Amino acid sequence: QKEVEQNSGPLSVPEGAIASLNCTYSDRGSQSFFWYRQYSGKSPELIMSIYSNGDKEDGRFTAQLNKASQYVSLLIRDSQPSDSATYLCAVILPVENSGGSNYKLTFGKGTLLTVNP
Amino acid sequence: DAGITQSPRHKVTETGTPVTLRCHQTENHRYMYWYRQDPGHGLRLIHYSYGVKDTDKGEVSDGYSVSRSKTEDFLLTLESATSSQTSVYFCATLRQGRQYFGPGTRLTVT
Repeated sequence: QKEVEQNSGPLSVPEGAIASLNCTYSDRGSQSFFWYRQYSGKSPELIMSIYSNGDKEDGRFTAQLNKASQYVSLLIRDSQPSDSATYLCAVILPVENSGGSNYKLTFGKGTLLTVNP
Repeated sequence: DAGITQSPRHKVTETGTPVTLRCHQTENHRYMYWYRQDPGHGLRLIHYSYGVKDTDKGEVSDGYSVSRSKTEDFLLTLESATSSQTSVYFCATLRQGRQYFGPGTRLTVT
């Protein structure tokens, strides 16, 4: 069973703090990893993608990938109340028997983050 | 933004009736997906398509069928709606590893 696991939370942090969101995945064939943010009642939106081991920074967001440990994380520095949302981890995998030509994403259940003013 | 629209945005229907949800995209993306999202379950893949008339089942496909006769349209049909299919349905496309989502359809089966 290919799975993506996240702590459901809720995770609560004070404004200005670092929020740390974690995700583990089971399929070692996973090549690409994504973090989506979803505000209540809205559709998910991509905020970070990471493909190789190490850190990737974009503004206040840093994604970290460790393929050996099958672990990907998202750090949000200087958290703001506007960061309050559900964060979804997603992994892209080739579809079995497609010869690597077709792909689908598997999502974790999401972590609800609340940033308190 | 991949120009994805979904219709209807909201629907209330009765158990046993057929329901069709439509997804329309304007960016000519090859891959299209239908997900449902429920509390405690996250996003679960129902069906997906990797081209016109090429579709495959996802993890929760029972009770659903899809059709894709044109690149821009991907239809999801509930042949006989059940209360367990009450959910928010998202359509999405995929291009260069990035998934783009439509605004969602909230379906209530009474």
